[in-house]
Amino acid sequence: ETGVTQTPRHLVMGMTNKKSLKCEQHLGHNAMYWYKQSAKKPLELMFVYNFKEQTENNSVPSRFSPECPNSSHLFLHLHTLQPEDSALYLCASSQGQGAFYGYTFGSGTRLTVV
Amino acid sequence: ELKVEQNPLFLSMQEGKNYTIYCNYSTTSDRLYWYRQDPGKSLESLFVLLSNGAVKQEGRLMASLDTKARLSTLHITAAVHDLSATYFCAVDMTNTGNQFYFGTGTSLTVIP
Repeated sequence: ETGVTQTPRHLVMGMTNKKSLKCEQHLGHNAMYWYKQSAKKPLELMFVYNFKEQTENNSVPSRFSPECPNSSHLFLHLHTLQPEDSALYLCASSQGQGAFYGYTFGSGTRLTVV
Repeated sequence: ELKVEQNPLFLSMQEGKNYTIYCNYSTTSDRLYWYRQDPGKSLESLFVLLSNGAVKQEGRLMASLDTKARLSTLHITAAVHDLSATYFCAVDMTNTGNQFYFGTGTSLTVIP
């Protein structure tokens, strides 16, 4: 257990469904991130939150909607996804800007869109 | 745009052998990180390299950073099966400080 908890671990959803991924950390970190990991591609940064404020949105389609109600929780709301969105979605957190000690990653949610 | 390239992408090596994984990046950065990922699992932090010439060792793995050459290496000594995993390097942009750019990963298989 890394200290960053993601739920659910696996998710299968249809293209018309709405679902949410959850990430929680109690490490005292104040920056949180969503990454997408697809087969044979580098990890892609999706969103960055620093002190609950979104600071990065890397041209992510609007069918992905992040929410960060506080520094410990991060959500990724999903709706009308496409099969190509199937991937491992990783949440990470870091202590402050600069990520001096690197990121702590959660175990990920394996998403399959059918 | 920052590019981070690792090679090789796939590495199959016998137990007891030595090998080096390379990580090249395309712009200025003085912070580089190595991660390990086992199949179906998350990324585990291995090394944090924060300055030119930094060298860190943990067990059979040793990482180094040359910021002038924009190159980091991960050296494996006397490989064992337990080291089989995918290894990623990640570069932290000096000016933003909170965004990583990951390499494509090196999938290592150690054969008994």
